[in-house]
Amino acid sequence: DAGITQSPRHKVTETGTPVTLRCHQTENHRYMYWYRQDPGHGLRLIHYSYGVKDTDKGEVSDGYSVSRSKTEDFLLTLESATSSQTSVYFCAISESTEQPQHFGDGTRLSIL
Amino acid sequence: AQKITQTQPGMFVQEKEAVTLDCTYDTSDPSYGLFWYKQPSSGEMIFLIYQGSYDQQNATEGRYSLNFQKARKSANLVISASQLGDSAMYFCAMRGETGGGNKLTFGTGTQLKVEL
Repeated sequence: DAGITQSPRHKVTETGTPVTLRCHQTENHRYMYWYRQDPGHGLRLIHYSYGVKDTDKGEVSDGYSVSRSKTEDFLLTLESATSSQTSVYFCAISESTEQPQHFGDGTRLSIL
Repeated sequence: AQKITQTQPGMFVQEKEAVTLDCTYDTSDPSYGLFWYKQPSSGEMIFLIYQGSYDQQNATEGRYSLNFQKARKSANLVISASQLGDSAMYFCAMRGETGGGNKLTFGTGTQLKVEL
């Protein structure tokens, strides 16, 4: 299994609070991604990174920011969480653009 | 824009039978890749199989094969000899070249239930 660890695995928080999710990899892969999964929508890309300090927006980036200060860590931040951001968040990594993405186990985030 | 369509929200198959999960796609990229992932009830996403748009042969991985029909823009997953452990949600996804970064666009998934 690809060495991907997401933390926390579960979190409940209140509207308006900041939240940071962490993705840590031990594979030294260049590409890292954050997706959210909601019923009826499959997985949708929030942000991705193609190297240290190199990030770009995905399909549903509003309300989210990311940072990647070192190869192994990719952080997803909700500056002021809203109930619409209640979701399951997946981190993924890939070695190159031709290789498949491998996913972490997900973080279940509930915003009340 | 890229789009993946999975028209079967749910499927049933009997154990040991073969089953085909449908996936159609739309893209203007001349080069793209198609993926299938399995998500069991425990929630993890498991990579199953990959097909490149220029691959001459259909991809196979054990009991999984991908029926790739480029002209029809379809990439159906075939699971042979279904097992109870195949019960899961299955997602089709596409990687396009536009914008780079190996970004994936996912379909909404098909829930497969394997019955005795």
